[in-house]
Amino acid sequence: DAEITQSPRHKITETGRQVTLACHQTWNHNNMFWYRQDLGHGLRLIHYSYGVQDTNKGEVSDGYSVSRSNTEDLPLTLESAASSQTSVYFCASSEYGRGLDTQYFGPGTRLTVL
Amino acid sequence: KQEVTQIPAALSVPEGENLVLNCSFTDSAIYNLQWFRQDPGKGLTSLLLIQSSQREQTSGRLNASLDKSSGRSTLYIAASQPGDSATYLCAVLYNQGGKLIFGQGTELSVKP
Repeated sequence: DAEITQSPRHKITETGRQVTLACHQTWNHNNMFWYRQDLGHGLRLIHYSYGVQDTNKGEVSDGYSVSRSNTEDLPLTLESAASSQTSVYFCASSEYGRGLDTQYFGPGTRLTVL
Repeated sequence: KQEVTQIPAALSVPEGENLVLNCSFTDSAIYNLQWFRQDPGKGLTSLLLIQSSQREQTSGRLNASLDKSSGRSTLYIAASQPGDSATYLCAVLYNQGGKLIFGQGTELSVKP
């Protein structure tokens, strides 16, 4: 069955380190998204991509970057981790027209920055 | 600013009750609205998606309605069960290119 996976599921890192969170989907979806979920803020969009070589900034993109070299993967990089980036990160993907369809979510990565 | 609000933040009901969760949005120019379920420590599962041209969608015991003119959607759960206990999130897609705007969710607890 097609799915969307994230790794690692849990990560503890130190302030200032570079961290990369992986997202891999086997749906062959064009669209991929990264969100963070925090108490009091709900889910907020970090970056998104509509296809290979396409990336766009979301609502809370500062300190994060993404690259899309193939259809299946959209890794999220924290250039220099900060304590404010402690959160749960979700990757999602969707097909067809730009956002007119259901988004499928991965299981999440819980990141702690000490 | 485009915002999505969900009321109440938490709800506790006895098993078997019918219940309604509410979602409101500030901008009526939406493409679609989705309801998701999130279990503790898990990702989101899509329950229902309503296109802007539709008034409601049904799946089993779930029925979601959409009233764009008033900026509201409701999720109706019939004959609630303990297994329905989860956080329910409403998300709206506006005409800005595929970016879902989420409400903060309603945490539902169904007591046996």
